[in-house]
Amino acid sequence: AQSVTQLDSHVSVSEGTPVLLRCNYSSSYSPSLFWYVQHPNKGLQLLLKYTSAATLVKGINGFEAEFKKSETSFHLTKPSAHMSDAAEYFCVVSGGAGGTSYGKLTFGQGTILTVHP
Amino acid sequence: ETGVTQTPRHLVMGMTNKKSLKCEQHLGHNAMYWYKQSAKKPLELMFVYNFKEQTENNSVPSRFSPECPNSSHLFLHLHTLQPEDSALYLCASSLTAGREGYEQYFGPGTRLTVT
Repeated sequence: AQSVTQLDSHVSVSEGTPVLLRCNYSSSYSPSLFWYVQHPNKGLQLLLKYTSAATLVKGINGFEAEFKKSETSFHLTKPSAHMSDAAEYFCVVSGGAGGTSYGKLTFGQGTILTVHP
Repeated sequence: ETGVTQTPRHLVMGMTNKKSLKCEQHLGHNAMYWYKQSAKKPLELMFVYNFKEQTENNSVPSRFSPECPNSSHLFLHLHTLQPEDSALYLCASSLTAGREGYEQYFGPGTRLTVT
């Protein structure tokens, strides 16, 4: 079975300061990992994905995430927050080959990011 | 139109009504998905279609009936819904289903309110 835990339900930062959204995962097989963003009344947009290539993954809008197998973490970061980054962020795991969760996406509970002027 | 589109964007229906949600993808994908997003709950996968065949029904009540006439179109037929079915219904597509690393692309969703 696979699971994903987003460690913070809400994160609040000031514009121009760094963003850190934390995600831990559990998967019996080598997973793929994704971060999605959802702005109010919109669908989910893919920010970035990890699929066993480079452990540091760069995404859109200046976001990046680092896959750390030893810590089973895939935290999302951005050096400088912008007002337009205010949204809900979802960490997602997709099970690796050989497992019953192969190819299925499991979503975290979401982290709401608030950006203050 | 590009990406994944969903209609209607908002729907209010009574418990005895019958309505349908429509999803269309313009990405050349072969897999399509229905998800339910309720407040305070993780995104719930409802159905998966791969090359027009249903490959997953995640214990969804029969008052929700999916239909996939081709790889580009997906419908969700609704009848005799309950108030707890009020939610945002999201459609997604991917190149194929059952393969790791194939990201899903989501539509904007249909906000459903059951009165």
